[in-house]
Amino acid sequence: EDKVVQSPLSLVVHEGDTVTLNCSYEVTNFRSLLWYKQEKKAPTFLFMLTSSGIEKKSGRLSSILDKKELFSILNITATQTGDSAVYLCAVVTSGTYKYIFGTGTRLKVLA
Amino acid sequence: DTGVSQDPRHKITKRGQNVTFRCDPISEHNRLYWYRQTLGQGPEFLTYFQNEAQLEKSRLLSDRFSAERPKGSFSTLEIQRTEQGDSAMYLCASTGLAGPSSYEQYFGPGTRLTVT
Repeated sequence: EDKVVQSPLSLVVHEGDTVTLNCSYEVTNFRSLLWYKQEKKAPTFLFMLTSSGIEKKSGRLSSILDKKELFSILNITATQTGDSAVYLCAVVTSGTYKYIFGTGTRLKVLA
Repeated sequence: DTGVSQDPRHKITKRGQNVTFRCDPISEHNRLYWYRQTLGQGPEFLTYFQNEAQLEKSRLLSDRFSAERPKGSFSTLEIQRTEQGDSAMYLCASTGLAGPSSYEQYFGPGTRLTVT
């Protein structure tokens, strides 16, 4: 069965720290991996990764995919309290267009 | 606003009642998804449409749940004979047509259902 596993489940850091969130997957017919940020509402889209080794970057956030080892990481540098949220990883498969989500990593950034 | 919209945002109902939720996707998007999310979990896939065709439905989905997208635009999700276990956030999302960005999925604000 297709599955997406995120780690750690939760993380508490102080402002200014750098964090790395992990997402591993086992799916048939992998197409793309997506990262979302979810505060107290619906998930908001961050990145979509399709090719291995190509870093996507937006401000202090960056992400990379390793299709050989079947994982992705999301890095957040110089964390701020506004980064506190649940970060979700999802994988979409070719052909079915079905998205499989992990349970998320809950990040809390302390002032 | 050109994002995904959902209505209502909150619904409180008594066990055994039927409820219906509506989702309006981004106008040029042809795929529309329904998810359910409970506390501490990621969104759980329920069903999705490509235009008006319902292409996949989760095997975990009870037959009390039904979804439609009659004209390939907005969609409705109905839950019949609600149970307390149906209490959750119901999320709708849409994705676009062809091209690399067609897998970027955008979510609506969700409908929070509470069954008492």
